[in-house]
Parts: sequence; structure tokens; C-alpha cells
Amino acid sequence: AQTVTQSQPEMSVQEAETVTLSCTYDTSENNYYLFWYKQPPSRQMILVIRQEAYKQQNATENRFSVNFQKAAKSFSLKISDSQLGDTAMYFCAFMKRNNNNDMRFGAGTRLTVKP
Amino acid sequence: GAVVSQHPSRVICKSGTSVKIECRSLDFQATTMFWYRQFPKQSLMLMATSNEGSKATYEQGVEKDKFLINHASLTLSTLTVTSAHPEDSSFYICSARDPRSRGGTEAFFGQGTRLTVV
Repeated sequence: AQTVTQSQPEMSVQEAETVTLSCTYDTSENNYYLFWYKQPPSRQMILVIRQEAYKQQNATENRFSVNFQKAAKSFSLKISDSQLGDTAMYFCAFMKRNNNNDMRFGAGTRLTVKP
Repeated sequence: GAVVSQHPSRVICKSGTSVKIECRSLDFQATTMFWYRQFPKQSLMLMATSNEGSKATYEQGVEKDKFLINHASLTLSTLTVTSAHPEDSSFYICSARDPRSRGGTEAFFGQGTRLTVV
């Protein structure tokens, strides 16, 4: 079974600063996907960024980037130039490389961006 | 992008009654949909995988007779909470993957349903 661990229940950052959210996972699979989702107060899940395990290059989406360390099974999210709208719960998620496989989530990190 | 619509967004029901929650894929066909449950300040826990035209697959510890799942068409899955009790109060979220998007690996989530059993 796959497990996803987020060891930071809460984080805070000053507006315009950079913050890194941690995520580790455990799997025996070689082909899989990793995701970071944002859940604002509306509770709507929003995809922030995704990484394909077979790609060595770290994914980047504007202010969001990841540090994917496959051997260490680590997948951290870096948010640069933090904005007040980034305040939300952030979930790290794992999915095996199969269209019918479900997604497993970490416990989440509550990020607060302070003005 | 693809849209998954969930209805209702909020529902309050009396203890002992049943509640049906709908999850629709609006512009794509989904042979598989997923139902999650989220307690306050906690993560999403997979309850079951809904399969079109066949029985749902339930996670360990989830009562299939209590949480009835029907996936009668390629765009609709329903979750019925039967004989609801206050401990069933929670936030329920569905998701589906659009086969046209990134090889079917991108999940889209419904808006969620907040169920309160009184």
C-alpha cells in the first residue's frame, strides 16, 4: 500500500516570501504520479502541480515548483513570492500509473500567508 | 477544463433517513469515479471506487450497505447514505478523471457535499 506523509500540520509565511512544504511517500511502484492540491476555504480541490515519476526534471508552474527526489521518495512544494490568496490547505497526493487507480492523500498542511 | 459537478452542496437530514449525493462529469465520460470523505481539518479518505456498469469497490472499513454507490451511466455516480446517523456527518467529495486530459491521469473534483445529520 502507498502512504503519503506530510509532517507539517501548519506553516506560515510573509507575503512575497518563499515557503517550502514537505511531503514524503512510500511505495514499491516505479511508475507513478505525484500531485500537490490546494484546498481553499471553499473546499474545492484545485490542482497546483503534478510530477511524473519517470521524469527527472522538477515540475514548475509559475510561482510553484517541486523538488522531486525519487530515491529519497520526497516531493516538496516551493511557493515563491507568496500571495494572500495562497492561504489554504495543501495536500500532497500519490497515484499509481494506471487510469483506474485512486489517488491517496497526505494529511495536509495548512498554509497561512501573512500580510 | 473538464468539470465535475456535485449536488447538493449542503444537506441536513434527520437521523434514520437516507440521503443521495450526485456526482456528474459534465463534458466527459468517466468509467470510474471516486468517493472521498473528509472530516474537519483532516485529509481526504477514499471510501470507494465507483465503476460504471459494475459493483463499486469499497475500502476496508467502509460499510457497503450503508454507503450505496450506483454508477448507472458514464456521466453519473451517486452515493446514498442510508439510515444516516450523526456520526455520518462529514464532507463528501467525488472525483473523476477525464480520459482526454493527460492520458486520463488528471483528476477533477466536485465541489463537495456537506452532510449534517441531526
